[in-house]
Amino acid sequence: AQSVTQLDSHVSVSEGTPVLLRCNYSSSYSPSLFWYVQHPNKGLQLLLKYTSAATLVKGINGFEAEFKKSETSFHLTKPSAHMSDAAEYFCVVSESNFGNEKLTFGTGTRLTIIP
Amino acid sequence: GAGVSQTPSNKVTEKGKYVELRCDPISGHTALYWYRQSLGQGPEFLIYFQGTGAADDSGLPNDRFFAVRPEGSVSTLKIQRTERGDSAVYLCASTLLTATNEKLFFGSGTQLSVL
Repeated sequence: AQSVTQLDSHVSVSEGTPVLLRCNYSSSYSPSLFWYVQHPNKGLQLLLKYTSAATLVKGINGFEAEFKKSETSFHLTKPSAHMSDAAEYFCVVSESNFGNEKLTFGTGTRLTIIP
Repeated sequence: GAGVSQTPSNKVTEKGKYVELRCDPISGHTALYWYRQSLGQGPEFLIYFQGTGAADDSGLPNDRFFAVRPEGSVSTLKIQRTERGDSAVYLCASTLLTATNEKLFFGSGTQLSVL
């Protein structure tokens, strides 16, 4: 079975400083990995996804993540935090089976931006 | 509509009652998913439809939970004899699934509270 572990339940950074949200995965096969963001009272939105192409993946809103097989990590970063980045972030692994995108979510990291 | 629509947005019921939660996917999307998100947790997979049929219902917690998609579009998640532990946000997602790892589009969810 595949799983993801988000190492921090809550991260606080000052506006304009870098963001690092950590995620480790466990998978028997080459995984597909995603980061989703959830703003209050809004649906989950895909930030970026890794599907065995380039190991450095660029997403929306300036976020990027690097797949490191040797460390089984897929950490999410952003060079400079903005107030609008405050949200819940989920690291996700996909168990694709004949097109079934069965996603396994981590427990989430709440990102707070300090003005 | 432009996105995945879920109704109602909030549902309060009493223990033992029956509830139905509705999901309107994006028009043309063949695949539809239900997830459940408990407080402080990431979403957990419940069931996946490809067209009208449930292709994977391995995430349904017990036989009180049932879902249908009779015409391959709108889906209804049905919960019988509700229990307080069923309280959660129920999320619906849809995708076109022309290839693996297609992007899932999530609705804003139905907050179910069982008193």
